[in-house]
Amino acid sequence: EPEVTQTPSHQVTQMGQEVILRCVPISNHLYFYWYRQILGQKVEFLVSFYNNEISEKSEIFDDQFSVERPDGSNFTLKIRSTKLEDSAMYFCASSEPRLDTQYFGPGTRLTVL
Amino acid sequence: SQQGEEDPQALSIQEGENATMNCSYKTSINNLQWYRQNSGRGLVHLILIRSNEREKHSGRLRVTLDTSKKSSSLLITASRAADTASYFCATDVQGGSEKLVFGKGTKLTVNP
Repeated sequence: EPEVTQTPSHQVTQMGQEVILRCVPISNHLYFYWYRQILGQKVEFLVSFYNNEISEKSEIFDDQFSVERPDGSNFTLKIRSTKLEDSAMYFCASSEPRLDTQYFGPGTRLTVL
Repeated sequence: SQQGEEDPQALSIQEGENATMNCSYKTSINNLQWYRQNSGRGLVHLILIRSNEREKHSGRLRVTLDTSKKSSSLLITASRAADTASYFCATDVQGGSEKLVFGKGTKLTVNP
């Protein structure tokens, strides 16, 4: 069964550094998402992406965050200057069609020191 | 309560027993999804139920949806120790948004 994959599984970085989290959505999916889960808290929506554009973003997704689909398979989340409070599990998800099942990847645990 | 709130927060049962988890939400939805998460791991999709459906089955899972009460339940029958995990409901918000809103989850422990 097709899966969403994410790399790396764990990223440790220093405060103020840039990180790029990578995702490979399911190949025939056109709708892509990033969510995050701070330890012990709810899963929170960050951004949705379709047709090479952001279709929706949350208040969390400020100017420090950006997303990109650099090629036909990868979908990336960049955090420009990490803060301690960015430490969380980041999940990528994809769906097809829109408003249908969102399949999640295994997550990247980001630790900001 | 907030969109997508599950109860109970924690449930401990013996292997072989049934586990029922509930979810309430506030706004009109297109569909409701249930996910499972093993500790510190990814979200595994279990089942999606659409707003025009009342009940859905998948293996040992049974999901009901009552849109008049804005609530859903997830029943796991004949539970196994391997069912130990956190279970989340997630709803979209009718009106065009694609984002899923998750509850805090029910932590299920199945004792062997």
